[in-house]
Amino acid sequence: GAGVSQSPSNKVTEKGKDVELRCDPISGHTALYWYRQSLGQGLEFLIYFQGNSAPDKSGLPSDRFSAERTGGSVSTLTIQRTQQEDSAVYLCASSLSGEGAGELFFGEGSRLTVL
Amino acid sequence: AQSVTQLGSHVSVSEGALVLLRCNYSSSVPPYLFWYVQYPNQGLQLLLKYTSAATLVKGINGFEAEFKKSETSFHLTKPSAHMSDAAEYFCALGESGGYNKLIFGAGTRLAVHP
Repeated sequence: GAGVSQSPSNKVTEKGKDVELRCDPISGHTALYWYRQSLGQGLEFLIYFQGNSAPDKSGLPSDRFSAERTGGSVSTLTIQRTQQEDSAVYLCASSLSGEGAGELFFGEGSRLTVL
Repeated sequence: AQSVTQLGSHVSVSEGALVLLRCNYSSSVPPYLFWYVQYPNQGLQLLLKYTSAATLVKGINGFEAEFKKSETSFHLTKPSAHMSDAAEYFCALGESGGYNKLIFGAGTRLAVHP
């Protein structure tokens, strides 16, 4: 597709369930990022993938969060045993490369609501 | 530590009035600075960026921002607001020489009224 695609756009789940969020970056972009957007708190960095390098996982808030990127393209963010504080919009972005000041292209996000 | 502070979570202006959205940063290395805009139900898109060339940066839709090292600021301005400018605006900080692990401010929601 022309832009970054995320699915699902909305997800409502019960506390304790696992969820998977998917990101399909722009074709040819080697860098992929996950951010979390909570109400009134801006964007919080979660994880960064660059090519075949080891990902920067420094922003993941707990070991319930994990992400993978298969074949240098599609990425999945998994949240295990969801908690109410996990409710937020999860944004994926990609860029042509991870270096310098290249533009990040964002998807529309996946809104997660944990009941 | 790096940080970004946006002063004012909500700003309201009249159509045709000056828009001024404030951003201050803290960085121990020369920064890259960005403004992104998020329209309702859309992803963020880049308005403009500063990368140590010209200190006055012009972006899309008539917006511009000036990098002031002495004030550690990167305020966003537009001379005349349009109704279509209503959106949320995010200031972001990156490290020169680093990769695009941007630190975002909390955002400023701009309302434009007739």
